[in-house]
Amino acid sequence: KNQVEQSPQSLIILEGKNCTLQCNYTVSPFSNLRWYKQDTGRGPVSLTIMTFSENTKSNGRYTATLDADTKQSSLHITASQLSDSASYICVVSPHASGGSYIPTFGRGTSLIVHP
Amino acid sequence: NAGVTQTPKFQVLKTGQSMTLQCAQDMNHEYMSWYRQDPGMGLRLIHYSVGAGITDQGEVPNGYNVSRSTTEDFPLRLLSAAPSQTSVYFCASSPSGGPTGELFFGEGSRLTVL
Repeated sequence: KNQVEQSPQSLIILEGKNCTLQCNYTVSPFSNLRWYKQDTGRGPVSLTIMTFSENTKSNGRYTATLDADTKQSSLHITASQLSDSASYICVVSPHASGGSYIPTFGRGTSLIVHP
Repeated sequence: NAGVTQTPKFQVLKTGQSMTLQCAQDMNHEYMSWYRQDPGMGLRLIHYSVGAGITDQGEVPNGYNVSRSTTEDFPLRLLSAAPSQTSVYFCASSPSGGPTGELFFGEGSRLTVL
């Protein structure tokens, strides 16, 4: 069964500090990996997407990396802001050649940024 | 563009009641889907549609019905509500690539079944 595991489950940091969130997956064959940001009480919003051949993608202060060999991804947040407080969800989509194209969602990492 | 609009935002039901969660999108997306989000679990796919007149089951379809008569609308029906269906429901659409494309989510509908 395809799985996506995220760590840590929750994280508290001070405003201005950097942090890195982890995502390990077993989805194979693999189509793409996305990171979503979900503010409390809102729907998730896409931050980055990476395909099999990409190993890094940036979106402002957010940088995602991908190691397809070890099936690991990370999301690095630089110079955190209070507005970064949210849940960050890793989503891995299988390649249709594997018989299914339903994405697998991780449980998310809850990030709290304190002033 | 309003994006993906879900109604109602909050609903309380008694066990055995039925109801429909509405979802509408104005982005002309072919792909639409319903997810449920429970504490400590990832989003789980209930039903999806790749175009008007076409629907299919996701991971957790039992107790739910969908239809897709237009590109814009994708309602989710709870046939006989059970406490296990207490959850936050999200509708999402995608412009291309089906479920592997970027998903645009609504704001969610919080359902409590007593």
